[in-house]
Amino acid sequence: RKEVEQDPGPFNVPEGATVAFNCTYSNSASQSFFWYRQDCRKEPKLLMSVYSSGNEDGRFTAQLNRASQYISLLIRDSKLSDSATYLCVVKNFGNEKLTFGTGTRLTIIP
Amino acid sequence: EAGVAQSPRYKIIEKRQSVAFWCNPISGHATLYWYQQILGQGPKLLIQFQNNGVVDDSQLPKDRFSAERLKGVDSTLKIQPAKLEDSAVYLCASSFTHGNSPLHFGNGTRLTVT
Repeated sequence: RKEVEQDPGPFNVPEGATVAFNCTYSNSASQSFFWYRQDCRKEPKLLMSVYSSGNEDGRFTAQLNRASQYISLLIRDSKLSDSATYLCVVKNFGNEKLTFGTGTRLTIIP
Repeated sequence: EAGVAQSPRYKIIEKRQSVAFWCNPISGHATLYWYQQILGQGPKLLIQFQNNGVVDDSQLPKDRFSAERLKGVDSTLKIQPAKLEDSAVYLCASSFTHGNSPLHFGNGTRLTVT
């Protein structure tokens, strides 16, 4: 089983719709969680950290479920500019190792 | 705040040649990472440094790849000899050490091996 697993998509979603991605992780010692966004031919950029109680940043909501070992990202009122690949990242306690998922490709359709 | 600097941006070499990439992390970031990202995949960790010590190099193909961070700041990643399957983007990232600090990436070096 991979350490971090994501549905690669692609997700093709009409503008204005709500879309959600899940990401599962296998190491229960994982400490910190992040969502990164990567545009075509660009480097990954931090979208948001994921906190235990869940957190929101504008149209984006991230949640963590430690019992089931998954994190989620919800995008409301999607915009054309949200089209990108979304990478789930898990950081392990102790060695600070970060592991990336393969990414979920999202395309917002006008 | 200056970001993570990488050079070169692009490199084209023939197989069996050698190549080196350079990275300068954000000032004050003790942890430095080199990732390899093949088209259509997520970044794969090659090596992680904490200051000038190696924390994890379990996925570094040590027969051809080497990396160093001699003074705990800049780092170089070398491939010798290169293979066709080494064609990828090589991303350098840095972070503070404490748990919730995220990674900051450089622009990457796009390597094409022909």
